Amino acid sequence: AQSVAQPEDQVNVAEGNPLTVKCTYSVSGNPYLFWYVQYPNRGLQFLLKYITGDNLVKGSYGFEAEFNKSQTSFHLKKPSALVSDSALYFCVVRDRSGGYQKVTFGTGTKLQVIP
Amino acid sequence: AAGVIQSPRHLIKEKRETATLKCYPIPRHDTVYWYQQGPGQDPQFLISFYEKMQSDKGSIPDRFSAQQFSDYHSELNMSSLELGDSALYFCASSLSNSVRGGYTFGSGTRLTVV
Repeated sequence: AQSVAQPEDQVNVAEGNPLTVKCTYSVSGNPYLFWYVQYPNRGLQFLLKYITGDNLVKGSYGFEAEFNKSQTSFHLKKPSALVSDSALYFCVVRDRSGGYQKVTFGTGTKLQVIP
Repeated sequence: AAGVIQSPRHLIKEKRETATLKCYPIPRHDTVYWYQQGPGQDPQFLISFYEKMQSDKGSIPDRFSAQQFSDYHSELNMSSLELGDSALYFCASSLSNSVRGGYTFGSGTRLTVV
């Protein structure tokens, strides 16, 4: 069965420091991997995705994520956190089969950037 | 534990017909979100409601409307259906005042327009 784990309910980081939001997954075969961000009272917004190729994926707002197949991880990173990055972050897995692919959402990690 | 319930699970409609999808959030959750995922596509945010008021709007077509009722369940109404509306429609619910919102997705309604 396909699954996504975000082990941290909340991550606190000081402004200007690097941040990491963790995600591990379990899926048969090679997945598509995504990160979405949700600001308060808003819907999910696409941040970045891994399809194939370079394991380091760059996305919006200076975020990047590293696909690690051996560790089945797709951690979200940013070299220098901003207060405006404070939001809820979701890791998402989609399988590669045709038609209506199965999508699994993580439970979310709240990022708090402290001024 | 109770999850987000969506009905129906599957729905087949003809072009130009209307469809109504329902979402029952986790008890005490005050916010509902709707997402659309077309074949081979990424999930796209449509619309959300907080305490029965629209709180955010995404890429929802004008032919679609939605509302949240007094019992917090939500309905997505789709009119003049087009073939391109065939998709998986997810609903999610959350609790606004919890650490990470208790954000939970339903298993989706698969709409096929023929």
